[in-house]
Amino acid sequence: EDKVVQSPLSLVVHEGDTVTLNCSYEVTNFRSLLWYKQEKKAPTFLFMLTSSGIEKKSGRLSSILDKKELSSILNITATQTGDSAIYLCAVVGHYGQNFVFGPGTRLSVLP
Amino acid sequence: KAGVTQTPRYLIKTRGQQVTLSCSPISGHRSVSWYQQTPGQGLQFLFEYFSETQRNKGNFPGRFSGRQFSNSRSEMNVSTLELGDSALYLCASSSWGARPGANVLTFGAGSRLTVL
Repeated sequence: EDKVVQSPLSLVVHEGDTVTLNCSYEVTNFRSLLWYKQEKKAPTFLFMLTSSGIEKKSGRLSSILDKKELSSILNITATQTGDSAIYLCAVVGHYGQNFVFGPGTRLSVLP
Repeated sequence: KAGVTQTPRYLIKTRGQQVTLSCSPISGHRSVSWYQQTPGQGLQFLFEYFSETQRNKGNFPGRFSGRQFSNSRSEMNVSTLELGDSALYLCASSSWGARPGANVLTFGAGSRLTVL
């Protein structure tokens, strides 16, 4: 059965800190790994990763995939209070096209 | 381009009743997925429809059902509601293929169901 594990489940930091969120997975015929940010309502898409070692970057956020280790990290530098959210990791295989989500990491950034 | 639209946004029901939730996907998206989100369980997959056919189903009882219409709009129904069905129900649409933006779920704002 496909599975996604995220760590830590909860994290409290102060503005300006750098955080690293972890995601590990087990999926049949891996196709891609996605990161989402969820504030109050709908998760919003951050990154899609399909190839190992290629960093995706958007402003202060970056992410990289390690297919050998079946894992990904999401880095946020110089955190701001607006980064407070639940960060969700999801994977999907080639055959099935059912996205499996991890439990999420709840990030709280204090001023 | 309009996003994914879910209705109603909030609803309160009592145990034993049934509820129908609606989802209109992004124009051109033929795949619609439904998820249940609760604080304890996270995002749990309910089912996915593509071109009016259910392609995948999660581990939910038969009280949870869905369908998709020819215009890709989808509905999900929960019958004989239980207290534990209280949750945020999220719908997401996607396109599949090699085009930019494909293979990504785009979520609606959700329907928050409270069962009393």
